Amino acid sequence: EDKVVQSPLSLVVHEGDTVTLNCSYEVTNFRSLLWYKQEKKAPTFLFMLTSSGIEKKSGRLSSILDKKELSSILNITATQTGDSAIYLCAVEASGYLLWGGGADGLTFGKGTHLIIQP
Amino acid sequence: GAVVSQHPSRVICKSGTSVKIECRSLDFQATTMFWYRQFPKQSLMLMATSNEGSKATYEQGVEKDKFLINHASLTLSTLTVTSAHPEDSSFYICSASPPSGGTYNEQFFGPGTRLTVL
Repeated sequence: EDKVVQSPLSLVVHEGDTVTLNCSYEVTNFRSLLWYKQEKKAPTFLFMLTSSGIEKKSGRLSSILDKKELSSILNITATQTGDSAIYLCAVEASGYLLWGGGADGLTFGKGTHLIIQP
Repeated sequence: GAVVSQHPSRVICKSGTSVKIECRSLDFQATTMFWYRQFPKQSLMLMATSNEGSKATYEQGVEKDKFLINHASLTLSTLTVTSAHPEDSSFYICSASPPSGGTYNEQFFGPGTRLTVL
């Protein structure tokens, strides 16, 4: 059974701090790992990672995948109160999203609740 | 804990037929369930929010007569795609929320259903 575990479950830091969120997975036929930010209803897409060791960056957010350790981290530097959200990690176990192949589905982690205090 | 299942995981149907997708919360009661559609660039589009025992709330642009949602019990919501057409082919994901008890509206995601309409 595919499994995605995120840690910590929740995190409270002060504005300006740097945070690192973790995601580990056990998935058959791994294809990609995705990070989302959920503030209200629908999660918004942040990153898609397929190759190990290649950092993806968007502003103050960055993420990297380690296929050997079956894990990924999401870093947020110089945090702001607007970064407060639930950060979700999901792993795709087939080529549906990339190649249009058969879908084994997405497995989501439970999320990390990040609270940034002013 | 907090496991959400979807059935079927994949379905292929002919144009004009209707397809029903089930979303179940297996070990908790979900007062609210959400239905999403996954688009090619990994964004999740919220289609509707369903609360047990009441009518679903549809997002702007989603046809409620085409995508029928029934949240009949605290553990089951169904999405029926009526008169499906090839453009409805997509990956449909549900999520479920337990009774609100925290700052964020926690959602637990199902594995998704891949619909292909021929």
